[in-house]
Parts: sequence; C-alpha cells; structure tokens
Amino acid sequence: QVQLVQSGSELKKPGASVKVSCKASGYTFTSYAMNWVRQAPGQGLEWMGWINTNTGNPTYAQGFTGRFVFSLDTSVSTAYLQISSLKAEDTAMYYCARRAQGVLDYWGQGTLVTVSS
Amino acid sequence: EIVLTQSPGTLSLSPGERATLSCRASQSVSSSYLAWYQQKPGQAPRLLIHGASSRATGIPDRFSGSGSGTDFTLTISRLEPEDFAVYYCQQFGSSPWTFGQGTKVEIK
Repeated sequence: QVQLVQSGSELKKPGASVKVSCKASGYTFTSYAMNWVRQAPGQGLEWMGWINTNTGNPTYAQGFTGRFVFSLDTSVSTAYLQISSLKAEDTAMYYCARRAQGVLDYWGQGTLVTVSS
Repeated sequence: EIVLTQSPGTLSLSPGERATLSCRASQSVSSSYLAWYQQKPGQAPRLLIHGASSRATGIPDRFSGSGSGTDFTLTISRLEPEDFAVYYCQQFGSSPWTFGQGTKVEIK
C-alpha cells in the first residue's frame, strides 16, 4: 500500500535550518511528483510547490522562494524540504503529498516545525 | 492567482442531516482540476473528490461533488459522526495551485 512517512517534529531557534524528510513506499517513486503543503497553527492549507521526481526539478509557489529547497534521494525513495534562516512565522505543520493526475492522492502524516527562541 | 472562497465558514448540523458546502472561484476552473479534501483534527488531509464529481477510492457514496466554471458544491447526503471535520476545495488548473479557506462541519 502507498505510504508517505515523514520525519518527526522539530524545535528550532530563529535563524537555524531544518530538513524534513518524506519517505515513500508502495509505489514507484519516480512515477509521481511530490508536493509540499504548509498549514500554520489553526489555519488552512497552503501549497508550497512541487518537485519532479524524475528530473529533480523543483517549482516553488510565490512566497516559498529563497529559503525553501525541495530535493530528492531517489535511491531511498525520499523527498526533502529544507528551510533555512527560520523565522517564527515558519512555525507550521508541513505535509508532503503525492500528486496523481493533478490531485494530491496520498499525504504524509505531517511534520511539525516549531521556531522559538 | 485563482482565489477559492468557501462558504459557509462553519456549518452546524446534526447526524443524519444533509450538508451542502460551496466553493466559488475568482476565475473559471476546469471541472477536471477541482478537488475536495477532508481533514480531521490531528490528521493529514484526505482526498475525497477529484474532477469535481468523481469520488476517490474508498470514499462512501454519501459524498458527492458537482459544479462547473466558478461554482462548485460538495454534498454529504446524510452526515455520519465521522464526517464532522474541515473540508477544503482545491484547484490545480492554474499555477499557483490554491486551496479554499475551508468549511468546518460541526455537530449541532
């Protein structure tokens, strides 16, 4: 069965960096694009962008350029989200989600990133 | 950017009642590119409907989607206790993909 398993919660200080992992199983990793979605506490869903799992080419939504980096390690079927120069407003749940014909059909369980001094 | 506006913000209903949720787009969205998701507290979103009206695998037939152009609707014919959650619409026909702000369906 398809599963996306994300790394655990992170507590970081402002200015630090964090790398969230999303390990896929149950399907051919390179056959589906991987998307990232942010959800701030008590708020709605915000699409961050996606990465082509064949080419490694990322696409970032406006507001997620510069400090946000999507990457892959296809040898272990894992996608990564790295956020640098963390700010308090980056505190959120981050989800990876597989894209199939446009829709996000499988989601990871989410990784809570908390930025606090 | 296509803005999706969901209404109402909160829907207070009893189990067994019918729920009608609206998603209005600021520009026309192809029906093929409109989806609905359900999110329960502490859980990741789950795909319910794609292509505006096609149920995802394993989704009960009490959930139905309809609409075209700028107006889309998610209907839950008879609310079950497990249906009380937040529902989001999403368009992926035009980048950036966008979500509505969500409709919370709560127990009355």
